[in-house]
Amino acid sequence: GAGVSQSPRYKVAKRGQDVALRCDPISGHVSLFWYQQALGQGPEFLTYFQNEAQLDKSGLPSDRFFAERPEGSVSTLKIQRTQQEDSAVYLCASSLALTGGEQFFGPGTRLTVL
Amino acid sequence: AQSVTQLDSQVPVFEEAPVELRCNYSSSVSVYLFWYVQYPNQGLQLLLKYLSGSTLVKGINGFEAEFNKSQTSFHLRKPSVHISDTAEYFCAVSDTPQGGSEKLVFGKGTKLTVNP
Repeated sequence: GAGVSQSPRYKVAKRGQDVALRCDPISGHVSLFWYQQALGQGPEFLTYFQNEAQLDKSGLPSDRFFAERPEGSVSTLKIQRTQQEDSAVYLCASSLALTGGEQFFGPGTRLTVL
Repeated sequence: AQSVTQLDSQVPVFEEAPVELRCNYSSSVSVYLFWYVQYPNQGLQLLLKYLSGSTLVKGINGFEAEFNKSQTSFHLRKPSVHISDTAEYFCAVSDTPQGGSEKLVFGKGTKLTVNP
């Protein structure tokens, strides 16, 4: 079956623009995670959904970052008024089990803010 | 708060040599431990995980890791590496169900380069 897919794979934005990054998790996966991976660093947690409920958004760096998963499947991460420090790879992961389940990662979206 | 330390940012080795990638964690609660591998321009792939039970965990591609609670370590090993093992390796920790959130906390990664 298909894995986690993300689109677009690459996004270039001018500073101040809004962007929307999409994640299609594996069908039936309950949990969905967003991570931010800066160049040369490990991924850092942004937010977590269980079905459509956003249970943890403690990692969102500012109120310019917003995520949603309205029907408990596809998720969108939106960044408003992008800044250069937002340049990173944004990774989405999904898992089947509610606890201890393996997280399956998508290929990521590389965002470059000029 | 949890944290993960990967002691080596880069590890060069020759093909067919053994390798150990070190990982230490800190947490005030029980944890699950993971090793992921990332090939260039790809997402992360799970190598192995420790949830409970035997402290020696075997994963894909001939890798294994040992959970040592007293030393708070989860080092990754392979007895004989191949050129194709060249990649970045990330150690990660998450809380157990009793401990809280399932989010993964990653180390900064170790870049393994296997030379012929």
